[in-house]
Amino acid sequence: GQQVMQIPQYQHVQEGEDFTTYCNSSTTLSNIQWYKQRPGGHPVFLIQLVKSGEVKKQKRLTFQFGEAKKNSSLHITATQTTDVGTYFCAGRGNQGGKLIFGQGTELSVKP
Amino acid sequence: GAVVSQHPSRVICKSGTSVKIECRSLDFQATTMFWYRQFPKKSLMLMATSNEGSKATYEQGVEKDKFLINHASLTLSTLTVTSAHPEDSSFYICSASKAGVSPDTQYFGPGTRLTVL
Repeated sequence: GQQVMQIPQYQHVQEGEDFTTYCNSSTTLSNIQWYKQRPGGHPVFLIQLVKSGEVKKQKRLTFQFGEAKKNSSLHITATQTTDVGTYFCAGRGNQGGKLIFGQGTELSVKP
Repeated sequence: GAVVSQHPSRVICKSGTSVKIECRSLDFQATTMFWYRQFPKKSLMLMATSNEGSKATYEQGVEKDKFLINHASLTLSTLTVTSAHPEDSSFYICSASKAGVSPDTQYFGPGTRLTVL
């Protein structure tokens, strides 16, 4: 079945450093979404990417969807302590099926 | 906005009892609602998808007779954990998709932490 893998599982950075999490699917995706879950909180929708090679920016966050629509990345420039949390990607295969969540990347930021 | 509430936020119950969790979309009509389970430090596991007025679609391995889902209206879905056991202890989160927005964009509730003694 379809699998969505995220790396790394954990990332510890110093405040001001950049951070990237990668999402890889075993099958071609129709779209991909990114969510952020703060410690003790619930997932919050960040963005959805649909087009091959699409790049979207939200302030210090840059989201990219691969040309083959099988991978995606989230890059945070100059991390801040407010960026702390777990970032999940989620994708649905081209053939339909359910939305599959990656395992998440837990980001901690040291001030 | 797209606010989803869940009630209760925490519940502790004895083994063998049933627990009902409510999920409400407060400021929009939810075309579809989803129920997830999340273990500590783990990803979200989709349990079932429900549409108003129809039977829920359960994911493989999820017992439909144990996790009863009722989607009574476009703003309310309930999950009842029947005859709960300690292994059912978990964080249950619902989400809803909104008409006019991509059906894959989900708005999550704050979750319900269930502890079964």
